Amino acid sequence: AQKITQTQPGMFVQEKEAVTLDCTYDTSDQSYGLFWYKQPSSGEMIFLIYQGSYDEQNATEGRYSLNFQKARKSANLVISASQLGDSAMYFCAMTFGGATNKLIFGTGTLLAVQP
Amino acid sequence: NAGVTQTPKFRILKIGQSMTLQCAQDMNHNYMYWYRQDPGMGLKLIYYSVGAGITDKGEVPNGYNVSRSTTEDFPLRLELAAPSQTSVYFCASSQQDQPQHFGDGTRLSIL
Repeated sequence: AQKITQTQPGMFVQEKEAVTLDCTYDTSDQSYGLFWYKQPSSGEMIFLIYQGSYDEQNATEGRYSLNFQKARKSANLVISASQLGDSAMYFCAMTFGGATNKLIFGTGTLLAVQP
Repeated sequence: NAGVTQTPKFRILKIGQSMTLQCAQDMNHNYMYWYRQDPGMGLKLIYYSVGAGITDKGEVPNGYNVSRSTTEDFPLRLELAAPSQTSVYFCASSQQDQPQHFGDGTRLSIL
């Protein structure tokens, strides 16, 4: 069975510092997609970054980058130069082999950026 | 650009009542989804659809029904509401192998 694990329920980071949010997954599928979403206190789900299992280069989107280590089955999100507006819940999610595009979510990490 | 629109934003139901949560998207996406998010948890898939006329169960479908008569609309029906269905409901849409776009959510309380 496919499973996503986020082991950090909550984290603090100082403004302007980098932070890594952990995500590990368990699957026997060879084809899958890795996503990170941000959920601020206002509640909406905001797509941040995507990495396909066959992509050899780590994905980057502005201050967000994905540290994808396929052999370790991990897909950590790195946020550089943290800003106060980065304070939110962050969810790792995956789609697995097949054409349905269904997402399975982790339990999330609550990030608090301190001034 | 409306994206994914969910109505209502908030609703309180009595136990045993029924209601329909509406979801509409204007991006011509084939795939649509309904999730629920319980406090402090990630989202869990209720139902999904890969195109008009095609729906299938997700991880937590009990107590819900869906239909997909058009590409744009994907309503979620609650019959005989129960306290366990108190949650925030998110609708999403996507194309295949593309990120899902989410609506703003419907906060539902059943008392």
